[in-house]
Amino acid sequence: QVQLKETGPGLVQPTQTLSITCTVSGFSLTSYYMQWVRQTPGKGLEWMGFIRSGGSTEYNSEFKSRLSISRDTSKNQVFLKMNSLKTEDTGVYYCAREGAYGAFNWGQGVMVTVSS
Amino acid sequence: DTVLTQSPALAVSPGERVTISCRASESVSTGMHWYQQKPGQQPKLLIYGASNLESGVPARFSGSGSGTDFTLTIDPVEADDTATYFCQQSWNDPFTFGSGTKLEIK
Repeated sequence: QVQLKETGPGLVQPTQTLSITCTVSGFSLTSYYMQWVRQTPGKGLEWMGFIRSGGSTEYNSEFKSRLSISRDTSKNQVFLKMNSLKTEDTGVYYCAREGAYGAFNWGQGVMVTVSS
Repeated sequence: DTVLTQSPALAVSPGERVTISCRASESVSTGMHWYQQKPGQQPKLLIYGASNLESGVPARFSGSGSGTDFTLTIDPVEADDTATYFCQQSWNDPFTFGSGTKLEIK
């Protein structure tokens, strides 16, 4: 059974760095692209970037300067790190597995609040 | 970026047929997907590649279109279909999402 679960800090202070872990089961990270998407009150759903099955990455230019996606295949984990957080970054962050035609199967998401 | 435009809301009665539209600002070929999101839940894939039904999704859901105009049809609508429906394109970089259509079942 395919499962994706995000874990993160919940509350982050402005200007600090956000770190979220996506732990997967039921499939191999070396066989699928893994995506990160966020949902914010201001902009709705936004694609952030992905890590390919081979380990290379692509980022939305909107986030490119402050976003990093990586993985540890031995632990079945994918990581998102984003620095210089602002209050507008408050929202739900999802990891998703890319399937046929580029469609996503989503994790449950993790709520992140950026506030002092 | 490819902008996806959806109507904000619809209201229909159970048993009716409903169509939800998504228009792209440029061609996305058949790289269009549809998701259902209920409050407090993650989006759930319904249709991929414009017209392919995701495994486990009821056959009441169907998708059509190519290029710039796409439709998600639910026939017949059930009370449990109350949700927000999003389209997403994966043809052009960056991937983009519509703002969602909130479906109310009267």
